[in-house]
Amino acid sequence: AAGVIQSPRHLIKEKRETATLKCYPIPRHDTVYWYQQGPGQDPQFLISFYEKMQSDKGSIPDRFSAQQFSDYHSELNMSSLELGDSALYFCASSLFPDQLEAFFGQGTRLTVV
Amino acid sequence: QKEVEQNSGPLSVPEGAIASLNCTYSDRGSQSFFWYRQYSGKSPELIMFIYSNGDKEDGRFTAQLNKASQYVSLLIRDSQPSDSATYLCAVIPPGSNDYKLSFGAGTTVTVRA
Repeated sequence: AAGVIQSPRHLIKEKRETATLKCYPIPRHDTVYWYQQGPGQDPQFLISFYEKMQSDKGSIPDRFSAQQFSDYHSELNMSSLELGDSALYFCASSLFPDQLEAFFGQGTRLTVV
Repeated sequence: QKEVEQNSGPLSVPEGAIASLNCTYSDRGSQSFFWYRQYSGKSPELIMFIYSNGDKEDGRFTAQLNKASQYVSLLIRDSQPSDSATYLCAVIPPGSNDYKLSFGAGTTVTVRA
C-alpha cells in the first residue's frame, strides 16, 4: 500500500539558510500534519492543512511557513535556520473526518550547522 | 502540564512476558486515544486506537481505556525482541479542528532475549 512520502530524507543546512521539506500524502487523504521531533523528545505538532486550507496551528515559529497544494502535497518552508531547528520533521496524513488514524512518513532529518 | 503523561521507562521485560504500558490524560473531554511504536530514528507507526471504555484487542496488543480514571494502557503479550522500541501514547486534544495529535513523552521498552 502507498504510504506518506517525504523528501528529502536528510538535509544539512547552515545557519541562516532556508530549507524546504516536501510531503506527499497517502492517495485520497485530504489532511496533512507536520510534526517536529527533537532529540529525545516526543513529536510536537506544528501545523495542519485540510483541503488546502490551514486547519490548525501549533508551536510553529514565525520563521516557518507551510502550504498544501491542489494535488494535496504539502511543503514546509523554514527560513533563517537556527541550530535549534535541527530535528526530525514528520509529515502525517489522514482522511478527515472519515478516519481517525493518521499515518506518518519516514521523516526528514534536518541538521543545521 | 502535558496533555498526556507516560512513564518514560525504561521498561525491561523478558521475552515471552507481558509488557504493560500506562498513560494518563489531563482533559476529561478527550475522546480518542492512540498508541504508536517508534524505533530509534524512525517514524511513529500506529499500533491501534481506542475511543470506547473497555478493551480493544489486535493480535498481541490490547488497549484499555478507562475514561472515569482518565487512563489508557497498552498490553503487549508474548513480547518479542522486535518489540523493543519507544511507545508513544497520543490524544486528539478537545476542540481540535482536525485529528492532530498531542503525544506523551513515550515509554522505552526493552525485551530481553
